[in-house]
Amino acid sequence: NAGVTQTPKFRVLKTGQSMTLLCAQDMNHEYMYWYRQDPGMGLRLIHYSVGEGTTAKGEVPDGYNVSRLKKQNFLLGLESAAPSQTSVYFCASSSGPGLGYNEQFFGPGTRLTVL
Amino acid sequence: KNEVEQSPQNLTAQEGEFITINCSYSVGISALHWLQQHPGGGIVSLFMLSSGKKKHGRLIATINIQEKHSSLHITASHPRDSAVYICAVERTSGSRLTFGEGTQLTVNP
Repeated sequence: NAGVTQTPKFRVLKTGQSMTLLCAQDMNHEYMYWYRQDPGMGLRLIHYSVGEGTTAKGEVPDGYNVSRLKKQNFLLGLESAAPSQTSVYFCASSSGPGLGYNEQFFGPGTRLTVL
Repeated sequence: KNEVEQSPQNLTAQEGEFITINCSYSVGISALHWLQQHPGGGIVSLFMLSSGKKKHGRLIATINIQEKHSSLHITASHPRDSAVYICAVERTSGSRLTFGEGTQLTVNP
């Protein structure tokens, strides 16, 4: 089992460029999440999905879009990158809420720099 | 004021010391999570708890629901325990987690 994987691991963009981050999980989890982590701040939820074909906004959704066309994949898109989107992005997955079922498994992270 | 507050922000200890990291929260929760972020960046779940105490090896997590407070203890600390420890709460209204800023722990040999 690979768990949760993310591609790419690193990326440098210029302002205005677009890109897609891919998250894949092989644990048959229903729930998937995209977070960003910035210095001095806790992880913040960008978007999440509670099942194939569903998406919902988190705390900081502006400037990002997501899609969950297949249960195992959750894509995060930046249509027009801005320097404020420089961050480390983590994907996570879980079985869902309820004690014992919502342990979140994290991917290794993607370090994105927007110049 | 953040909904999840951790203290201290930074902690330096000598190998063998007993360590306590605190987490206070201000919202209704169904569970509290403790996670560890390794120096390389990877994040792993250590505990999920909604009451009482859990123990795994040298790590112990406790929660007091009435006081809205949790502690993570590390006994006989070791340099390999050096990491960022993150508290997160799972709200009663759903699966989303709200995270604290983390506590950077450094254990010196």
